[in-house]
Amino acid sequence: GAVVSQHPSRVICKSGTSVKIECRSLDFQATTMFWYRQFPKQSLMLMATSNEGSKATYEQGVEKDKFLINHASLTLSTLTVTSAHPEDSSFYICSARVAGGRFSYNEQFFGPGTRLTVL
Amino acid sequence: GQQLNQSPQSMFIQEGEDVSMNCTSSSIFNTWLWYKQEPGEGPVLLIALYKAGELTSNGRLTAQFGITRKDSFLNISASIPSDVGIYFCAGQVAPNFGNEKLTFGTGTRLTIIP
Repeated sequence: GAVVSQHPSRVICKSGTSVKIECRSLDFQATTMFWYRQFPKQSLMLMATSNEGSKATYEQGVEKDKFLINHASLTLSTLTVTSAHPEDSSFYICSARVAGGRFSYNEQFFGPGTRLTVL
Repeated sequence: GQQLNQSPQSMFIQEGEDVSMNCTSSSIFNTWLWYKQEPGEGPVLLIALYKAGELTSNGRLTAQFGITRKDSFLNISASIPSDVGIYFCAGQVAPNFGNEKLTFGTGTRLTIIP
């Protein structure tokens, strides 16, 4: 199957700093990537849809100026949490949809997640 | 945002037992997916259902896409210790470009009692 990686897997930062999380599709190209947030013992909530070469589409209630998304290539999307606060502590997971090829056209492959802790 | 309702919320079963969980929605989805998530990991796709009424198996797992397109169930037969984890259903309105967002269920936590 297709592999999606995330870096870093874990990050601890001080309140007020910015944190960048990378999501890479390793063996396929992804025109669309998705960013989710998951609080402890809760489900995954979609934050935004990231399209290569264009602006991300944010879900209602997600601040686009706080969660900056850049999808500069077909294999990389980044999520930057700006001026992070303790309430931003969560598990951030990305997924990538294949652009075509071996897999069914609408399948999303998930990364292993990044655990962000803001002190 | 919208969430799908899963039941039960958690299950404690003995190894070898069969497991059944379901997922319901107030709105229609045209694709239903079942994922498993282990601690500290992203979800992994188990089964995908693309047609109302469809019954699909993947090893010991069987899932069905409800006729009304508002529900789905997942069965696991003869559970084994590695089945432990959280199972999520997910719905997709249109499995084509434009409306492919996944809406996830609330999750069912499966624990196997030795």
